[in-house]
Amino acid sequence: DAGVIQSPRHEVTEMGQEVTLRCKPISGHDYLFWYRQTMMRGLELLIYFNNNVPIDDSGMPEDRFSAKMPNASFSTLKIQPSEPRDSAVYFCASSLTGYAFFGQGTRLTVV
Amino acid sequence: DAKTTQPPSMDCAEGRAANLPCNHSTISGNEYVYWYRQIHSQGPQYIIHGLKNNETNEMASLIITEDRKSSTLILPHATLRDTAVYYCIVSRTGANNLFFGTGTRLTVIP
Repeated sequence: DAGVIQSPRHEVTEMGQEVTLRCKPISGHDYLFWYRQTMMRGLELLIYFNNNVPIDDSGMPEDRFSAKMPNASFSTLKIQPSEPRDSAVYFCASSLTGYAFFGQGTRLTVV
Repeated sequence: DAKTTQPPSMDCAEGRAANLPCNHSTISGNEYVYWYRQIHSQGPQYIIHGLKNNETNEMASLIITEDRKSSTLILPHATLRDTAVYYCIVSRTGANNLFFGTGTRLTVIP
């Protein structure tokens, strides 16, 4: 398995634009997580899904953020409209047996 | 879930054992100790976890004290590629309840 695959690896966008981050979890995993990492706040859990259903989105910072998992092999994290303070590295992770496998992350810069 | 305390940084000579401590004095009986690491610019990587017995795998060993209030991650022969931030996490449920904290930045010195 190629592991958790995220795209794009880097994204630069202008304030106010819509940004969509994508994630393909490891096949067979039933949990999917979205994390955000910044220097100030470290790694923060934004939302996680179990069997494609959102379970806990209490970490989503505000309504500008939304996440979907239309099927077991794909998830998106959307920011609309984006703001400079959204600049961070966004990680997707998946899990089956109790520990998580992380993707390489998407470095988002909002200018 | 219980919180953990780790030293902010440590150095280790290449080829020597790296011993990374973690305090989790408020750990509950059903909480596991997990260790992850994050190499620069990469996603976190799972290393090992345990409940109360010592554990060993191909990457590391985990020593948990009898009272479970602290643990030590041991990298038996540190290499330069082990330079990373190491996170000790206490969790009941594993992946879906991970609080990463600030971790220990381990620098392996040639």
